Amino acid sequence: DAKTTQPPSMDCAEGRAANLPCNHSTISGNEYVYWYRQIHSQGPQYIIHGLKNNETNEMASLIITEDRKSSTLILPHATLRDTAVYYCIVRVGYGNKLVFGAGTILRVKS
Amino acid sequence: GAGVSQTPSNKVTEKGKYVELRCDPISGHTALYWYRQSLGQGPEFLIYFQGTGAADDSGLPNDRFFAVRPEGSVSTLKIQRTERGDSAVYLCASSLSGSLNTEAFFGQGTRLTVV
Repeated sequence: DAKTTQPPSMDCAEGRAANLPCNHSTISGNEYVYWYRQIHSQGPQYIIHGLKNNETNEMASLIITEDRKSSTLILPHATLRDTAVYYCIVRVGYGNKLVFGAGTILRVKS
Repeated sequence: GAGVSQTPSNKVTEKGKYVELRCDPISGHTALYWYRQSLGQGPEFLIYFQGTGAADDSGLPNDRFFAVRPEGSVSTLKIQRTERGDSAVYLCASSLSGSLNTEAFFGQGTRLTVV
């Protein structure tokens, strides 16, 4: 399985953009990058996913480098409720598991 | 319901007992996943169902763990002879299909405590 590397923690000021990096240098051509987040005591929440093009939805934007070896999740206007653990995941194989790493603890501060 | 439902939300059992954890996926979702999460760690994959069959059970830690999905909807995770090390939050997720391009939605989990 492709592995991901994320910083263990980050801080962000409320109202500013939060940019969460992820390295996935061993990703293969058919593997998608997924982002989930987990707020304390809740199940993981889907945010966004992509293959090679940049993606945007109502929650966030996903920027994937041209060589696909890294990506950045952007929360355009972080709020206190965005404080959570953010997981960058490379999904491999047909229907296969999402392999979670340790994630990045994002702390949004007022 | 609108989301993945897991019952019970909390379960306390004695070491050596048998437990069953239930997952009701989103209606129409053919793929179902079980994970477990220990404190301070990311979720760890256990098993994946496509329809009624277990397509990947490589994450089950040993033969005390077993899961079924007899009608391709509700799934039950069964743990025999529970051990204190089995204490964790057990998460269930479902997705419309098993394709790589389909997001999975998680339930709130069952917190299992073995005393």
